[in-house]
Amino acid sequence: DSGVTQTPKHLITATGQRVTLRCSPRSGDLSVYWYQQSLDQGLQFLIQYYNGEERAKGNILERFSAQQFPDLHSELNLSSLELGDSALYFCASSVAYDKKETQYFGPGTRLLVL
Amino acid sequence: TQLLEQSPQFLSIQEGENLTVYCNSSSVFSSLQWYRQEPGEGPVLLVTVVTGGEVKKLKRLTFQFGDARKDSSLHITAAQPGDTGLYLCAGVGTYNTDKLIFGTGTRLQVFP
Repeated sequence: DSGVTQTPKHLITATGQRVTLRCSPRSGDLSVYWYQQSLDQGLQFLIQYYNGEERAKGNILERFSAQQFPDLHSELNLSSLELGDSALYFCASSVAYDKKETQYFGPGTRLLVL
Repeated sequence: TQLLEQSPQFLSIQEGENLTVYCNSSSVFSSLQWYRQEPGEGPVLLVTVVTGGEVKKLKRLTFQFGDARKDSSLHITAAQPGDTGLYLCAGVGTYNTDKLIFGTGTRLQVFP
């Protein structure tokens, strides 16, 4: 158990819909990262937040957005969903924002868009 | 764009065999990490190698960082069914704004 929690574990929805994925970082960690893992693209970095502020952006689509709240939990919002958005979405957390810090991954949310 | 290619992509072996997984790039990384991911779970960090030529051992696993810090290898001795999983290398770029770059992954299956 990494100490990072993600909900829901599984999500099935239809194209065009909007979903919200939730992540609670390890106690004391200020940085949250979101990743997408698909069979063809592998594990791709989406976005990073540190202490409520966006810190770094990766391959995140404009239809996707995220935020980190004052209690440090984070939400990833996916809208206008397409079949290709079906993937595993992971949240990771670390103490600070340096990319050299160890990132602890949650168990992931498996999204299926039908 | 920094890319990390892993080989082989899939590996299916019998218990007790040895194996090596390679992680290659044309880019230089300040450090390289290896993760193992089991079904239904997130990746778990195994080791970080920092210095060119560095070798680290974790029980039956041996990790090496290339001299030029562009590649790395993971060698498993006497593989066991518990070693089954997806192995991912991840490179830490040389610039502060660089994100962590994950390799393409090697899926290992060890049969009893």
